[in-house]
Amino acid sequence: GAVVSQHPSWVICKSGTSVKIECRSLDFQATTMFWYRQFPKQSLMLMATSNEGSKATYEQGVEKDKFLINHASLTLSTLTVTSAHPEDSSFYICSAIIRGRLPYTDTQYFGPGTRLTVL
Amino acid sequence: AQSVAQPEDQVNVAEGNPLTVKCTYSVSGNPYLFWYVQYPNRGLQFLLKYITGDNLVKGSYGFEAEFNKSQTSFHLKKPSALVSDSALYFCAVRDISTDKLIFGTGTRLQVFP
Repeated sequence: GAVVSQHPSWVICKSGTSVKIECRSLDFQATTMFWYRQFPKQSLMLMATSNEGSKATYEQGVEKDKFLINHASLTLSTLTVTSAHPEDSSFYICSAIIRGRLPYTDTQYFGPGTRLTVL
Repeated sequence: AQSVAQPEDQVNVAEGNPLTVKCTYSVSGNPYLFWYVQYPNRGLQFLLKYITGDNLVKGSYGFEAEFNKSQTSFHLKKPSALVSDSALYFCAVRDISTDKLIFGTGTRLQVFP
């Protein structure tokens, strides 16, 4: 159980185009999903928190118009990188929470990541 | 503010030897601590977590972690390392008010045959 998938696993695009990345919870419902960005040999940087049926909450310094997040269902969140530029090239990872019996027993499970390369 | 620190960028250990990957935390209130492992070009895999109860937490792949309140540490351990354990390990603390995980900088574990 607790499988989170991402699609695509890698994508190469031209500068100026938009890229959509999907994150799915395969065997559980996720009211809350997260999007992270990871640069080479660095830790994960939280970009935004995505709640089903509501607008995403972005971290400070993350451009909401550039990184569009939609969480239309309990099993799917999408991240769209609009008008991508080479500096957007990175490894993008999503995660979803499995809710425990009590709030502090929740566990976050991660997708396999999407490597985006913008030429 | 919640934070975790991983003081070692890299840990080297010979196969068959015990391994320890260090993590210390700073939280207000009760700590909810996690260990994740990341293999190259992959997402993070959940290893184990400490919520409450026994200070020794057992997790996946033979890993365990010891919660030490007096030393504010949550070190990851394994009695006998495997070459396949070589990966990047992240310690994290959960901010219960926001659901966010605050990650350490990661420790690269290299197990030599």
